[in-house]
Amino acid sequence: DAKTTQPTSMDCAEGRAANLPCNHSTISGNEYVYWYRQIHSQGPQYIIHGLKNNETNEMASLIITEDRKSSTLILPHATLRDTAVYYCIVPSSGGSNYKLTFGKGTLLTVNP
Amino acid sequence: NAGVMQNPRHLVRRRGQEARLRCSPMKGHSHVYWYRQLPEEGLKFMVYLQKENIIDESGMPKERFSAEFPKEGPSILRIQQVVRGDSAAYFCASSPRLAGATDTQYFGPGTRLTVL
Repeated sequence: DAKTTQPTSMDCAEGRAANLPCNHSTISGNEYVYWYRQIHSQGPQYIIHGLKNNETNEMASLIITEDRKSSTLILPHATLRDTAVYYCIVPSSGGSNYKLTFGKGTLLTVNP
Repeated sequence: NAGVMQNPRHLVRRRGQEARLRCSPMKGHSHVYWYRQLPEEGLKFMVYLQKENIIDESGMPKERFSAEFPKEGPSILRIQQVVRGDSAAYFCASSPRLAGATDTQYFGPGTRLTVL
């Protein structure tokens, strides 16, 4: 997988937007950016993924820079239940791109 | 549509016993992946299976660990003669086709194995 870099932790006030950055400067042209989160003691939950265009679903928005070297996951109105570790993952475009590499991620703490 | 199901959710074994972890993929999904998460670490890929076939077991320890995904029934991760170092959370994921660029893996709630 392309190496990703995320801040170790972030705080966000409840009701405000949470913007989680991720650097993936070695990403290849056909590699996607995936975001998962893991709430304490639960399995990873898929959030969103994208290639080059910005994406939005019911959970979040994904903004990918034009050069694709970084992206930002946006939770528009964070709630206490969004407190979790967020993982930015770029599966390799090779034959074993099903092997997801979960690094340290960003611990997002949503405060009341 | 039920999600990925795993059981048991918690499993306690004594050293030397066997542990069997089961995973039922989402309906319509024929690709299963197992991951292990040691305490305070990220998930690590173990094995990828399709029905009746092991496609990639490069992440699985060579000794004591095995996995299967029979034609009927759930996928099974089997750990023989467990040791304390096997204590971890084991997660199963599934996808409808080979997960990769666009085929997302959906994870189950995990089985937490404790070896006494």
